[in-house]
Amino acid sequence: GQNIDQPTEMTATEGAIVQINCTYQTSGFNGLFWYQQHAGEAPTFLSYNVLDGLEEKGRFSSFLSRSKGYSYLLLKELQMKDSASYLCAVKEAAGNKLTFGGGTRVLVKP
Amino acid sequence: EAQVTQNPRYLITVTGKKLTVTCSQNMNHEYMSWYRQDPGLGLRQIYYSMNVEVTDKGDVPEGYKVSRKEKRNFPLILESPSPNQTSLYFCASSLSVGLYNEQFFGPGTRLTVL
Repeated sequence: GQNIDQPTEMTATEGAIVQINCTYQTSGFNGLFWYQQHAGEAPTFLSYNVLDGLEEKGRFSSFLSRSKGYSYLLLKELQMKDSASYLCAVKEAAGNKLTFGGGTRVLVKP
Repeated sequence: EAQVTQNPRYLITVTGKKLTVTCSQNMNHEYMSWYRQDPGLGLRQIYYSMNVEVTDKGDVPEGYKVSRKEKRNFPLILESPSPNQTSLYFCASSLSVGLYNEQFFGPGTRLTVL
């Protein structure tokens, strides 16, 4: 099985940087996804890491360390529209199963 | 437009009254899945399907049934709904079960069982 931990809530100021950590304990690993979810809406894909290191996509970056069971999502130049929940999800070694963490709600203040 | 659709979007029902939530995707995806989302518990997988006529239980399958008779459709059936099935439900699909295959989510169905 999988155990995935991420903080429940974070607050940051518009224009600032926020880092959302995710730690996981798994019996198998086939990659880690980050999704963004606005309140009442569907999750939308942000990033995927399967190898160690940093993946950068515009204002968003995601980092993975497989040996430490650790990932983070970095949001730069925060905008009000970035206020949302961010979901960390680990893909098991077999099949296509995704196990999600509880999500981190990020509130961006002016 | 490539998408996953769900119907209904909102449903209020009573205990024991059978209901079906439909899910359809137009992307020719092999893999489809149902999740429920509850406060503090995150998204939990109910059932999934690797392809037509192939379905399997996820983490919380009790009280639910699914079928996959066609590639595009994956309905979720609650034979006898109970109040603890009040939740936000998402259907998702992905191209296959390969290494990198993001899941696309439907808009969600908010179900209340009285």
